[in-house]
Amino acid sequence: DTGVSQDPRHKITKRGQNVTFRCDPISEHNRLYWYRQTLGQGPEFLTYFQNEAQLEKSRLLSDRFSAERPKGSFSTLEIQRTEQGDSAMYLCASSVPGGDTQYFGPGTRLTVL
Amino acid sequence: KQEVTQIPAALSVPEGENLVLNCSFTDSAIYNLQWFRQDPGKGLTSLLLIQSSQREQTSGRLNASLDKSSGRSTLYIAASQPGDSATYLCAVPTPYNQGGKLIFGQGTELSVKP
Repeated sequence: DTGVSQDPRHKITKRGQNVTFRCDPISEHNRLYWYRQTLGQGPEFLTYFQNEAQLEKSRLLSDRFSAERPKGSFSTLEIQRTEQGDSAMYLCASSVPGGDTQYFGPGTRLTVL
Repeated sequence: KQEVTQIPAALSVPEGENLVLNCSFTDSAIYNLQWFRQDPGKGLTSLLLIQSSQREQTSGRLNASLDKSSGRSTLYIAASQPGDSATYLCAVPTPYNQGGKLIFGQGTELSVKP
């Protein structure tokens, strides 16, 4: 069990650039979640997948954000035309079918200059 | 709409003290409540999960209680140590939803002084 992994761990970009993050869940975990956390706040839900199906999207996920999980394994989160307000920690979590516990990855820290 | 609140936002105690962190939620229709620990700049580590049918869960020096009717949970840490310094977050799934998204409190930042 290698845990949930995320890549990159840190990303610095200029405003207006596109960025893509990757999340690899624990194997056999069919649910995968994305959250965003700003300084001093708890994580906020963005979206989640069951296998390759995206079941729910938060209103926080504007048109500039897109998430995919093409084969029901790893997932990517893309932000287009980044803004300074996108600076945050992006967390990924996974869970087993019907499971209550979500296991979190180390996060990707995004800084938009 | 479910809202989760944690009090206090920050807490500083001397080593060896017993302490209580508080979490409250507005909608009692939850399947469970989970406590997490987050070290600076890191991801979340699950500490304890209490099912709605349970009143408490224990792991080592940690004890979490749940009172659904009053919408409250507490995390008790016994004999605190400097290594306990971290942010502690509580979270509940959306009401009537098992296995879906979690709603988090804003966290309590704990500092244990040697």
